[in-house]
Amino acid sequence: EPEVTQTPSHQVTQMGQEVILRCVPISNHLYFYWYRQILGQKVEFLVSFYNNEISEKSEIFDDQFSVERPDGSNFTLKIRSTKLEDSAMYFCASSEVFGYGYTFGSGTRLTVV
Amino acid sequence: GESVGLHLPTLSVQEGDNSIINCAYSNSASDYFIWYKQESGKGPQFIIDIRSNMDKRQGQRVTVLLNKTVKHLSLQIAATQPGDSAVYFCAENQAGTALIFGKGTTLSVSS
Repeated sequence: EPEVTQTPSHQVTQMGQEVILRCVPISNHLYFYWYRQILGQKVEFLVSFYNNEISEKSEIFDDQFSVERPDGSNFTLKIRSTKLEDSAMYFCASSEVFGYGYTFGSGTRLTVV
Repeated sequence: GESVGLHLPTLSVQEGDNSIINCAYSNSASDYFIWYKQESGKGPQFIIDIRSNMDKRQGQRVTVLLNKTVKHLSLQIAATQPGDSAVYFCAENQAGTALIFGKGTTLSVSS
């Protein structure tokens, strides 16, 4: 069964540093998403991406965040200057149709110290 | 603001019992609903979905019920097994918007 792959599985970074979280969506999917989950809380929507553009973003997705599809297979989330409150699990997802049929990756646990 | 949520944060059942996990949603424009299972250290895993033109849908050991009148969604798991222990989330969207998750219910199954 096709999978969404995320790397690394765990990232520890110092406050103020930049981090890039990487995702390889399912190859025939056109829509890509990032979600985050602070420990013990619900999964929160960050951003959706289609055709090399952001199609929707939440209030959480401020100027510190950016997304990119640098090549035909990767989809990245960059946090420019990490804060302690950015510590969370970050999930990438992809789908063939916008808003339906998501497949999630296993997540990257980001710890900001 | 509008959101999707679950009634109970935890549910404990005995192996073999039927489990019912509930979710209340407030966005009357939502037309698609999904239940996800999340095991420790993993991403959300699709269980079953339902569109707003239906009120019931069955899968293998799982049934989703949708009551649009009271904006209520439930997940029924038949003959619950220890492997069903996980956090369960409902999620919703309307056409053209990204999926929004509610708070989870932790299901614990004891044998």
